[in-house]
Parts: sequence; C-alpha cells; structure tokens
Amino acid sequence: AQSVAQPEDQVNVAEGNPLTVKCTYSVSGNPYLFWYVQYPNRGLQFLLKYITGDNLVKGSYGFEAEFNKSQTSFHLKKPSALVSDSALYFCAVRDPYKLSFGAGTTVTVRA
Amino acid sequence: ETGVTQTPRHLVMGMTNKKSLKCEQHLGHNAMYWYKQSAKKPLELMFVYSLEERVENNSVPSRFSPECPNSSHLFLHLHTLQPEDSALYLCASSLLPGSGETQYFGPGTRLLVL
Repeated sequence: AQSVAQPEDQVNVAEGNPLTVKCTYSVSGNPYLFWYVQYPNRGLQFLLKYITGDNLVKGSYGFEAEFNKSQTSFHLKKPSALVSDSALYFCAVRDPYKLSFGAGTTVTVRA
Repeated sequence: ETGVTQTPRHLVMGMTNKKSLKCEQHLGHNAMYWYKQSAKKPLELMFVYSLEERVENNSVPSRFSPECPNSSHLFLHLHTLQPEDSALYLCASSLLPGSGETQYFGPGTRLLVL
C-alpha cells in the first residue's frame, strides 16, 4: 500500500520567515502526491499536486512543493509565511482509488 | 468550497436515531467519496463511488449505509450509531479515480453522537 508520513505534528514560524512542512512517501511505482490545507471548521482545500514532470510544483496561495525521488520526500514550502497560513496541512498519496493521508501538521505563524 | 456542498453542517443524534448526511457536487465529476476525520487520527476513507457504483467499502460498520442515486449526489445513512462515531464526515468528488485526478472536498458535517 502507498503511504505518506508527516514527521512533525507542529511547525511554528514568525510571519515573513520561510515555512516548510515535511512529507515523506512510500510507494510502489510512480507516486501521485498531494497537499491539502484545512482551516478550523472547514473542509480540506487542495493546494497542489505532483504527477509527473518538473520536480518543483507551484500551487495556490504562494505555496510550492519539491518532489525529491532520492529522498522520497515532497516537502511543502512558502518563502514568506503569513499569519493567515496558520492551519492544518495534510500530505496525501493516491492509493489507487483513494487518498491516503498523513497525520497532519499544525502550522502556527506568529505575528 | 461551493463546488461540493454538505448538509447539515452540524448534527447531534442519539444512539437510537436515524439520520442522513447529504453531499452534492457541482463540478461535473463522476466519482464521490466519504471520509471520516476523527480527532488525533488520520483521515479514513469510508466509501468510494465511481459512475454511481460502489468500488470500495473500507471495512465500515453496517450502521453506516451509503447511497449514490446519481453522479451529483451522495448520501450517508446513519442508524444506531455509537459515541465513538462522533467525528467530522467529509465528502469529496473527482473525475474517475485511478490516476492523478484531484479530489475536491466539501466543508464537512460535524456529527456528535450522544
């Protein structure tokens, strides 16, 4: 089965600093990887995905993610975090009909 | 979030009640999903419908009964639930599953079983 892991339960950064949320994957074959964000009392919002092609994927709200095959990682990044980026972030992998999600990382951006 | 809507947004029910959750997608998709999100646990897939046929039933107790009358609507019928079934129930939709299609989620129904 395909799976992803998010090694950090929480990430705290100051506004304006770079933000990184880590994700590693374990798949057989080519991975289809996704990032979603969840704000309080809301559903999951799609940020970006990697299917094939460029290893650097750009998504919504200034986020990007880098696919690294040798390190089996798909870390989410934002060059300059905003307080409004505070939310719960999920990494996911296609498996094959469903999405298998990581446990989630809570991001807190302090002003 | 208006692409996938869910009603009700909040539901409180007793263990002997029968209720239904409704999901509607306005994205022209042909696959729909139910997920359960409990505190401190990863999201769990419950059911997948593709072209209105159930393609995956992820060992879900029979007190949860899905229904997909057409490609735009998905229901989750609930009866004799347990307190541990309290969770956020998320509906999602996509184009046909099996490749890199994106799933789009509704806002969820927050269920409390007393």
